[in-house]
Amino acid sequence: KAGVTQTPRYLIKTRGQQVTLSCSPISGHRSVSWYQQTPGQGLQFLFEYFSETQRNKGNFPGRFSGRQFSNSRSEMNVSTLELGDSALYLCASRLTSGGLDTQYFGPGTRLTVL
Amino acid sequence: KNEVEQSPQNLTAQEGEFITINCSYSVGISALHWLQQHPGGGIVSLFMLSSGKKKHGRLIATINIQEKHSSLHITASHPRDSAVYICAAPYSGGGADGLTFGKGTHLIIQP
Repeated sequence: KAGVTQTPRYLIKTRGQQVTLSCSPISGHRSVSWYQQTPGQGLQFLFEYFSETQRNKGNFPGRFSGRQFSNSRSEMNVSTLELGDSALYLCASRLTSGGLDTQYFGPGTRLTVL
Repeated sequence: KNEVEQSPQNLTAQEGEFITINCSYSVGISALHWLQQHPGGGIVSLFMLSSGKKKHGRLIATINIQEKHSSLHITASHPRDSAVYICAAPYSGGGADGLTFGKGTHLIIQP
């Protein structure tokens, strides 16, 4: 099976712009989580989607939003970009089966805000 | 929100040494994850633990649910084990959840 894919891999934006990142989970996985990684804060949970519904949300401002489509692909959007939004954005697709709970991480999108 | 504490933050050891990384969390959980991140950002899930101990090659992970504590051990460490090791617990303590993470342990194994 193909792994989790994220596009684009690298992105440069300027303050005030908006950005949309995409994540395609492993085939058959219905749960997708998004995370932000910065040198100062480490990895932080943004939100989790399951079957097109947001199940949980981390402590981020409303500028961060997401959605999931019927094919389980997910997008996250950041509006009115700030310098502090520069980070590696990771998505993970999740398989829970037979008592196992495994998260498979994508390679990430590195966003630079100038 | 679950709080995850990890120690040490940095660890440098010689090849062959036995390595221990510790993780504690604040809210009772269904399972705890250990992850490995290499330079360049790629994250690999090493273990998901709900009780007891798991072993994969030279890696061993243990968890004590009552004490809310987990450890990751590396036996016969090798320079290729150099990476950041991160423990993670469910964000709210439940099962249907994203993860909250420790700050990571930056491990360097010197030849």
